[in-house]
Amino acid sequence: DGGITQSPKYLFRKEGQNVTLSCEQNLNHDAMYWYRQDPGQGLRLIYYSQIVNDFQKGDIAEGYSVSREKKESFPLTVTSAQKNPTAFYLCASTPKVHGDRGTEAFFGQGTRLTVV
Amino acid sequence: KNQVEQSPQSLIILEGKNCTLQCNYTVSPFSNLRWYKQDTGRGPVSLTIMTFSENTKSNGRYTATLDADTKQSSLHITASQLSDSASYICVVSRFYSGGGADGLTFGKGTHLIIQP
Repeated sequence: DGGITQSPKYLFRKEGQNVTLSCEQNLNHDAMYWYRQDPGQGLRLIYYSQIVNDFQKGDIAEGYSVSREKKESFPLTVTSAQKNPTAFYLCASTPKVHGDRGTEAFFGQGTRLTVV
Repeated sequence: KNQVEQSPQSLIILEGKNCTLQCNYTVSPFSNLRWYKQDTGRGPVSLTIMTFSENTKSNGRYTATLDADTKQSSLHITASQLSDSASYICVVSRFYSGGGADGLTFGKGTHLIIQP
């Protein structure tokens, strides 16, 4: 079945440690995205990539890093510089679509990161 | 500034009752509007998409309306079921030739609880 897979579902991190969240898609989508979701807040864009080996900062990129070495994969690293990393992280992908039809973002099931 | 406002923030209704969720937006130029359903701890899943020329679209017990003149949308749920308990997120896509999700603006969602 085609889809987006995020792992792990739950992740615990000690303060000062870097952690990497995995996101893999087999939808052959060109674009991939990372969002952060906090209680009572809308989704906020961290990073996005529209092509392999290229990515752009979103609204809240500080303390995060990404790579896009393969079309199928877009891992997110939460670094120790991120002051408040506890949150629900969602990965999404979209096909490369032009015109006014717009795009539908397909989401993974999320990773809940907790700093202990 | 591109914004999406949803109301109410939360809603509790009895099983079998109907309800309507509201979405107002200021995104421009407008491409399309989607309603997503997000179960607790899961990724959002698209329910409906509406473009500029569409006024009403149904998906089972879900009916979305769009008034592009007043920039308002609603999601009506008929004969609610316990499985409808979730957050409902309004997402407006800005017309963007790149087609990427950097053109998406998310509402904060309405948290709907269906009580037996």
